[in-house]
Amino acid sequence: GAVVSQHPSWVICKSGTSVKIECRSLDFQATTMFWYRQFPKQSLMLMATSNEGSKATYEQGVEKDKFLINHASLTLSTLTVTSAHPEDSSFYICSPKGPLQETQYFGPGTRLLVL
Amino acid sequence: QQQVKQSPQSLIVQKGGISIINCAYENTAFDYFPWYQQFPGKGPALLIAIRPDVSEKKEGRFTISFNKSAKQFSLHIMDSQPGDSATYFCAASMSTSGSRLTFGEGTQLTVNP
Repeated sequence: GAVVSQHPSWVICKSGTSVKIECRSLDFQATTMFWYRQFPKQSLMLMATSNEGSKATYEQGVEKDKFLINHASLTLSTLTVTSAHPEDSSFYICSPKGPLQETQYFGPGTRLLVL
Repeated sequence: QQQVKQSPQSLIVQKGGISIINCAYENTAFDYFPWYQQFPGKGPALLIAIRPDVSEKKEGRFTISFNKSAKQFSLHIMDSQPGDSATYFCAASMSTSGSRLTFGEGTQLTVNP
């Protein structure tokens, strides 16, 4: 499978601050980027979908002004959690995808803890 | 119609046994059915996937059985090993809607030595 990196792997921040998570697809070009959130012992919940150079499409109930997604290139996407609150504490996973259904991969995840 | 139902929620198997996880879907437009393995603190990793034009696919100790008429598919792990202990997610997607994955609820598998 493809190599996907996320940075940071874990982050602790104070309530009210913003956190940026980077996702890089190291060996293939991601035409689409999915961002997921996963709470403990739960399944993956899709937050938003973005195509390179376009605005992200957010799932119902996900605040677009709170979770800023940038997909500026085919190998880099960022998720910024603005004004983070304790309820935003979760495991965030990016999933870059190529042109085929079989070419969707997952990053190693970023654990966010908001105090 | 977009849901994928997965069972059981948790499963305990002895080493060397067979682990079976089942999923059911409603939307007949789904045309790609992957299974993912996730270890604690890690992202999911693709294990094996199948398309509805075949009834079974085998890769090593992992087999997907697919029943199109029943709208069900299952993962069989033969000769289960303690290293297989993880959470398994089934998923489904349709090529006509951007291939976004719909995930099952997950099954926590524990293989006892």
